[in-house]
Amino acid sequence: RKEVEQDPGPFNVPEGATVAFNCTYSNSASQSFFWYRQDCRKEPKLLMSVYSSGNEDGRFTAQLNRASQYISLLIRDSKLSDSATYLCVVNSRGGGADGLTFGKGTHLIIQP
Amino acid sequence: NAGVTQTPKFRVLKTGQSMTLLCAQDMNHEYMYWYRQDPGMGLRLIHYSVGEGTTAKGEVPDGYNVSRLKKQNFLLGLESAAPSQTSVYFCASNAAGDGELFFGEGSRLTVL
Repeated sequence: RKEVEQDPGPFNVPEGATVAFNCTYSNSASQSFFWYRQDCRKEPKLLMSVYSSGNEDGRFTAQLNRASQYISLLIRDSKLSDSATYLCVVNSRGGGADGLTFGKGTHLIIQP
Repeated sequence: NAGVTQTPKFRVLKTGQSMTLLCAQDMNHEYMYWYRQDPGMGLRLIHYSVGEGTTAKGEVPDGYNVSRLKKQNFLLGLESAAPSQTSVYFCASNAAGDGELFFGEGSRLTVL
């Protein structure tokens, strides 16, 4: 099983809809979880960290399910500008500098 | 606000040539990283540094060397470029190993 797995998509979603995607991780000892956003031909940028209690930032909600070893990202009232690739990032090695593992990303396309 | 700056942004090399990618950050971050991103693959860590004068191997270090002579700079060298090193290279930095990563805009390298 790969360390961090994501459905590559693309997810084609109409503007205004709600979309959710998951990311599974293999190392049960993983301690830190993040969602990054990467626009086409640009660098990744942190979207949000994922806490055990879940967290919300405007239209975005991230949740962690340790029992099933996955994190999720929910986007409500999607905008055209949400079109991007969303990268799941897990620190699988106890917080060390080399411990961040990136998923391959989920490609989201918001359609007008 | 420069953040993380990579040079050059584009380069075409012939097999066997050498080159150096420069990464500079102005945020006084201790940790710096070099990643490569290939189609269908997640970001993969090449080398990283936890402070001035230190370097360590990441997941895919073969064929690359690095140096961190100054805290703000992290150099990635290719001594003898191979077509398999055709990729987009991202430099990143953060204040602590598990914190938010700040990426440069990327350097697109093609090896013919």
